[in-house]
Amino acid sequence: DTEVTQTPKHLVMGMTNKKSLKCEQHMGHRAMYWYKQKAKKPPELMFVYSYEKLSINESVPSRFSPECPNSSLLNLHLHALQPEDSALYLCASSQGGRTDRNQPQHFGDGTRLSIL
Amino acid sequence: GENVEQHPSTLSVQEGDSAVIKCTYSDSASNYFPWYKQELGKRPQLIIDIRSNVGEKKDQRIAVTLNKTAKHFSLHITETQPEDSAVYFCAASNINTGNQFYFGTGTSLTVIP
Repeated sequence: DTEVTQTPKHLVMGMTNKKSLKCEQHMGHRAMYWYKQKAKKPPELMFVYSYEKLSINESVPSRFSPECPNSSLLNLHLHALQPEDSALYLCASSQGGRTDRNQPQHFGDGTRLSIL
Repeated sequence: GENVEQHPSTLSVQEGDSAVIKCTYSDSASNYFPWYKQELGKRPQLIIDIRSNVGEKKDQRIAVTLNKTAKHFSLHITETQPEDSAVYFCAASNINTGNQFYFGTGTSLTVIP
């Protein structure tokens, strides 16, 4: 019953490859997030999109490039990653936008990324 | 910026006992406090949340309390069951920083049958 769908579930790539992670939600949410999570650690915020515009970039290296083609889709383009980038990459969404109350974030199942 | 501390980092309880996880936050402007449960290999799932205008919220075996003056909030799980075993994360956010969540470091809860 996951409302945020991420593909692929697993990805193994070499340090010279280019790949993309995809995230989709159909809850009408206007804020979407990328997180990186290492085992038994909290999610680390990478990027936030609000109304399809990048609103937060937490000083993420340029080898990670986010893209928000429309309000339902969020991509994360990967290029020249390092072994330390191996982690679970989580996408989340929330109602976001022009509201006076913080809203819960709903997470996808994540993409488990391994860099060889 | 906001700093959220969470204790304990690991917790083992006998099935049927209660479990309590505590978090403190530093930014007095924080006004929304969600709790997430993450089972091994799965996504974080929201289990309960509380806003700063209330002191306590309950949902069946799970409750959260908030003390704004002391800047701490706690998760209480009663009558624990083996399926409660997971890592639990608290978080804090405030409207001034958009919907950015500041997560605690997590508590690994094990319920022993």
